[in-house]
Amino acid sequence: KNEVEQSPQNLTAQEGEFITINCSYSVGISALHWLQQHPGGGIVSLFMLSSGKKKHGRLIATINIQEKHSSLHITASHPRDSAVYICAVKAAGNKLTFGGGTRVLVKP
Amino acid sequence: DSGVTQTPKHLITATGQRVTLRCSPRSGDLSVYWYQQSLDQGLQFLIQYYNGEERAKGNILERFSAQQFPDLHSELNLSSLELGDSALYFCASSAWGGLETQYFGPGTRLLVL
Repeated sequence: KNEVEQSPQNLTAQEGEFITINCSYSVGISALHWLQQHPGGGIVSLFMLSSGKKKHGRLIATINIQEKHSSLHITASHPRDSAVYICAVKAAGNKLTFGGGTRVLVKP
Repeated sequence: DSGVTQTPKHLITATGQRVTLRCSPRSGDLSVYWYQQSLDQGLQFLIQYYNGEERAKGNILERFSAQQFPDLHSELNLSSLELGDSALYFCASSAWGGLETQYFGPGTRLLVL
């Protein structure tokens, strides 16, 4: 079993729909990152969380430390949100462990 | 633009060869991270440096080595290359190497033939 599991692996939504991506992890962590990887390959860090909730524009990230679970929500999705979203956890030893990614396609 | 630069963008080489990938962190960032992204393994953490010193080590092969220089740029050396080393190699930087945002470079795409 991987230390970091994401679901779903793939997601297709219509423009305007609410999207949720889930990340579960099995180890104790100090922080969790949500990353966005564009079709061209570039990676952008969206959020870093150690507790609670963060919001940036139409993106919301939450984390429940007790349940070892985080969610990334995209409200009013748009075709430009089409990307791979990757969850990564920072555990002991300061190393990041990555989930397998969720490929999101938003259709106009 | 994250402010992190990586060279070269693309690299094609043969098995058994050695290559050097270079990374310049964002101005003011002291910590540099190296990651490998392959089709079968996804993203993997290789190694982290902070102000010239190794801070954390991940799944880095013995054939690979890295260092961070006094001007804070970093190099990742890959030797005795194998077909399976073909991947995207990302560098990221952060201010202190702790619980803060990492900024990713555009990556170097390595193809080993």
